Amino acid sequence: NAGVTQTPKFRVLKTGQSMTLLCAQDMNHEYMYWYRQDPGMGLRLIHYSVGEGTTAKGEVPDGYNVSRLKKQNFLLGLESAAPSQTSVYFCASSYPQGRNTEAFFGQGTRLTVV
Amino acid sequence: DAKTTQPTSMDCAEGRAANLPCNHSTISGNEYVYWYRQIHSQGPQYIIHGLKNNETNEMASLIITEDRKSSTLILPHATLRDTAVYYCIVRVANLNSGYSTLTFGKGTMLLVSP
Repeated sequence: NAGVTQTPKFRVLKTGQSMTLLCAQDMNHEYMYWYRQDPGMGLRLIHYSVGEGTTAKGEVPDGYNVSRLKKQNFLLGLESAAPSQTSVYFCASSYPQGRNTEAFFGQGTRLTVV
Repeated sequence: DAKTTQPTSMDCAEGRAANLPCNHSTISGNEYVYWYRQIHSQGPQYIIHGLKNNETNEMASLIITEDRKSSTLILPHATLRDTAVYYCIVRVANLNSGYSTLTFGKGTMLLVSP
């Protein structure tokens, strides 16, 4: 099983450029999440989705947009990249919390904004 | 989510048991304790979770105190590959309270040495 797949794995952007990070899961999970991790820090939640067509803000949503047009995909967009968005981005998916099960994470996307 | 407190770092000799503590004194009755770990540069990996009973799986054991204000993750025979950051998280697993997500702190850096 592929689990959670993130595309791309690495990217370098210039300030002001835009890009979209793709997360795909093959476990039929309702919930999907985008986190960012900065050096020496834990993961911080950017946005999440509890089902197809729904999205919600997390702890650090500014500068990002998301879309969940298909259940298996969760896209994270940066409209105008800034150096402060240099980070490692992790996507995750899970069943709803009511089923009390674990979240599965992708291997991360390393983004550098210069 | 209830806040957790973990030591910044711990050392363990290869082959010995690693006991990682976590304090969650403000935990509520319906909040579960989850443990994840993150090996360098990889996505977090689920280890184990529990509510009030001790739990064991193929990776680890989770001991939760009777008052549920603290817990200990036990890796019975640590190997070099267990070197990672270990995160203790408490989370509501009830849809009636709204959409709860995993909130990561800084975790404990466990270094397993030969």
